[in-house]
Amino acid sequence: QSALTQPASVSGSPGQSITISCTGTSSDVGSYNLVSWYQQHPGKAPKLMIYEGSKRPSGVSNRFSGSKSGNTASLTISGLQAEDEADYYCCSYAGSGVFGGGTKLTVL
Amino acid sequence: QVQLVQSGAEVKKPGASVKVSCKASGYTFTGYYMHWVRQAPGQGLEWMGWINPNSGGTNYAQKFQGRVTMTRDTSISTAYMELSRLRSDDTAVYYCARDSAVAGTVWFDPWGQGTLVTVSS
Repeated sequence: QSALTQPASVSGSPGQSITISCTGTSSDVGSYNLVSWYQQHPGKAPKLMIYEGSKRPSGVSNRFSGSKSGNTASLTISGLQAEDEADYYCCSYAGSGVFGGGTKLTVL
Repeated sequence: QVQLVQSGAEVKKPGASVKVSCKASGYTFTGYYMHWVRQAPGQGLEWMGWINPNSGGTNYAQKFQGRVTMTRDTSISTAYMELSRLRSDDTAVYYCARDSAVAGTVWFDPWGQGTLVTVSS
């Protein structure tokens, strides 16, 4: 399984919305609602933000949302806050796990 | 609360092996698969495989087949990941992460705090 494709970086100003894409194939992202998203602050362990493509775990802000179109999944963060600045990874699992390369979000 | 606590940092020489532990608490250890994920310095996340703590069954990423062994000790709710024939490019933070345990879907939550393994001569 090849790594999923994410943009290396995105940025936005406080209060704005940004979207991070995650492109795979019809065998992984396109086939199932198996995409999850993780937030990672420097020196910290990843944290689950979205599972099954669009569901939020308890405790995760509703400013975070997930969607999918074809072979591309997306994570949208609305009302950007300084604390959202972090690395974000998508992940798909179809017999084995595969992550995207990660996207560094900068809040300007 | 559900918690995964990993063993401390390790420094190993090339060719050696390392064994990292992951102690689970706050839930039924045998009810959830445990995954291992690693992250090289400044790099992204890389899935290594999982172990079923109930049966001991494993599924390893092809890249690590023959070098990785995942085991568990149910009496102390602890999972282990051993990587052999270490190379410098195995230098990374190694994480354990609990599976979702929902049929037909997989996500990782929570994660251990990570264990830095440094491979250097």
